Amino acid sequence: GQNIDQPTEMTATEGAIVQINCTYQTSGFNGLFWYQQHAGEAPTFLSYNVLDGLEEKGRFSSFLSRSKGYSYLLLKELQMKDSASYLCAVSYNTNAGKSTFGDGTTLTVKP
Amino acid sequence: EPEVTQTPSHQVTQMGQEVILRCVPISNHLYFYWYRQILGQKVEFLVSFYNNEISEKSEIFDDQFSVERPDGSNFTLKIRSTKLEDSAMYFCASREATGQETQYFGPGTRLLVL
Repeated sequence: GQNIDQPTEMTATEGAIVQINCTYQTSGFNGLFWYQQHAGEAPTFLSYNVLDGLEEKGRFSSFLSRSKGYSYLLLKELQMKDSASYLCAVSYNTNAGKSTFGDGTTLTVKP
Repeated sequence: EPEVTQTPSHQVTQMGQEVILRCVPISNHLYFYWYRQILGQKVEFLVSFYNNEISEKSEIFDDQFSVERPDGSNFTLKIRSTKLEDSAMYFCASREATGQETQYFGPGTRLLVL
């Protein structure tokens, strides 16, 4: 299988920084997505990493290590509206964009 | 800003009935997808569609499922004989082109099979 592992739940405080980790099987790896999903809504694209390193986009950054099968999403200056599920999804062996999703990490931001 | 739209937002059907879920992808996009998410579970890939044919499909996408792009704008998912376990949120997504990896998701159709 193509197991994608991420923590089930995390809690953080408003204004703080939180890192959400994701590990995946490396065989056939193309790239890795992070999505944000609020309850009852569709996933919203946050980032796509295909090369090693850190990509920063405002308050959100995403890191990838291809050799380690590891990624993280870093959220800075947390706001209450950042409370949501964060989905790690991996594209394997495909040009058609098929993605395998992890179970998601539910982040709760507290005042 | 262009967006993916889906209709209906909610659908209730009886087991064994056929349903058609409709999507209008972003107009210049070339790749189209269907995903489903059973309540409380993860998003699951169903099928991708490019150049008027299926590119990839998952093991979930059996003979009861079909997709079609009947005209230049709509992209449909048909479930021929619905089962209770087909109850889920169904998301359509589209992507612009090869090399443009961002997939834009529609708001979803919540399907309830009774």
